[in-house]
Amino acid sequence: EDQVTQSPEALRLQEGESSSLNCSYTVSGLRGLFWYRQDPGKGPEFLFTLYSAGEEKEKERLKATLTKKESFLHITAPKPEDSATYLCAVKSGTASKLTFGTGTRLQVTL
Amino acid sequence: KAGVTQTPRYLIKTRGQQVTLSCSPISGHRSVSWYQQTPGQGLQFLFEYFSETQRNKGNFPGRFSGRQFSNSRSEMNVSTLELGDSALYLCASSLGVQGNQPQHFGDGTRLSIL
Repeated sequence: EDQVTQSPEALRLQEGESSSLNCSYTVSGLRGLFWYRQDPGKGPEFLFTLYSAGEEKEKERLKATLTKKESFLHITAPKPEDSATYLCAVKSGTASKLTFGTGTRLQVTL
Repeated sequence: KAGVTQTPRYLIKTRGQQVTLSCSPISGHRSVSWYQQTPGQGLQFLFEYFSETQRNKGNFPGRFSGRQFSNSRSEMNVSTLELGDSALYLCASSLGVQGNQPQHFGDGTRLSIL
């Protein structure tokens, strides 16, 4: 059974203070690793898909990387509007369902 | 391009009742998946439909069911509601069922059971 573990559970940063979120996974035949952002009262918003070890994707202040066992979401010089819960999910084998981690709640303060 | 639309946004029911939630996928998307989100369990997969056929089902009791129509719109039904069914129910759509297709989520239906 696929397993996804995210750390830390919560992270508080000052504006401009860069950091990384971790997503460790155990799957049989990774088909894709997905990062989402979820704001309170909203559904998850798709950010990135990563397919193979060594792959990197960037979007504004966010950069996602992938190894054979984990993925990192690097946040460079964050702003208060980056505050949200960041979710990691995997697809494996022939199934198209997503298995989610429990998320990292990020708070960026002035 | 319109996103995934879920109706209603909020719903209050009592134990023993049944409920039907609706999901309209992004235009052109043929795969629809449903998830339950709770503070304790996070996001858990309920089921997935493609071309009106259920392709996958999660570990939920038979009280949870769904269907997909020929226009790709989907509904899920929960019968004999229990207090533990209180949750945010999320629908997600994707172009197809290939592993690398990202799923795009609606804002969910918040179901409260009294």
